[in-house]
Amino acid sequence: QKEVEQNSGPLSVPEGAIASLNCTYSDRGSQSFFWYRQYSGKSPELIMSIYSNGDKEDGRFTAQLNKASQYVSLLIRDSQPSDSATYLCAGALSNDYKLSFGAGTTVTVRA
Amino acid sequence: DTGVSQNPRHKITKRGQNVTFRCDPISEHNRLYWYRQTLGQGPEFLTYFQNEAQLEKSRLLSDRFSAERPKGSFSTLEIQRTEQGDSAMYLCASSYRGNTEAFFGQGTRLTVV
Repeated sequence: QKEVEQNSGPLSVPEGAIASLNCTYSDRGSQSFFWYRQYSGKSPELIMSIYSNGDKEDGRFTAQLNKASQYVSLLIRDSQPSDSATYLCAGALSNDYKLSFGAGTTVTVRA
Repeated sequence: DTGVSQNPRHKITKRGQNVTFRCDPISEHNRLYWYRQTLGQGPEFLTYFQNEAQLEKSRLLSDRFSAERPKGSFSTLEIQRTEQGDSAMYLCASSYRGNTEAFFGQGTRLTVV
């Protein structure tokens, strides 16, 4: 079992809709979680980090963390065509700095 | 530009040749990481440095792979006797002391023919 699992894509949403991305992790020792956006052929770009239970909002992005359920999610509100990319979920253990990544979910926003 | 810089951006090499990649981290970032990413997969951890010390190596890092970070500044990743299975994007990232937020460079895409 992979340490970080993401819901299978691809995910297609109309412009202006909410895109919902999910991620689960297997190691309860994981404490830090990140969402990266990766455009085709480019490197991952950090868009959100979350460390405690609850919601964290940054512009049109909201990350949610539930450590009891070992679940992380990312909501993209008012989706734009420029949001079309692969979104990678990553986690790190409390005493570690390396990241374990999911395989990514590809999002396509239809104009 | 003060981001993570990687060179070269692309490398095509013949099987059996040696290749070396360079990474310049964000200045003042003391941790430097190497990851490898293949098509359709997330990045996989290879190794990381804290200053000049190599603290951890993944079992993915066979003895054909070696990484260095002399003086705690830039890092190099060398692959000896390349194989077709080494074809991938090699990503470097760095983070500031005490912070797990890692920022990636543009990557080096390796193609072994």
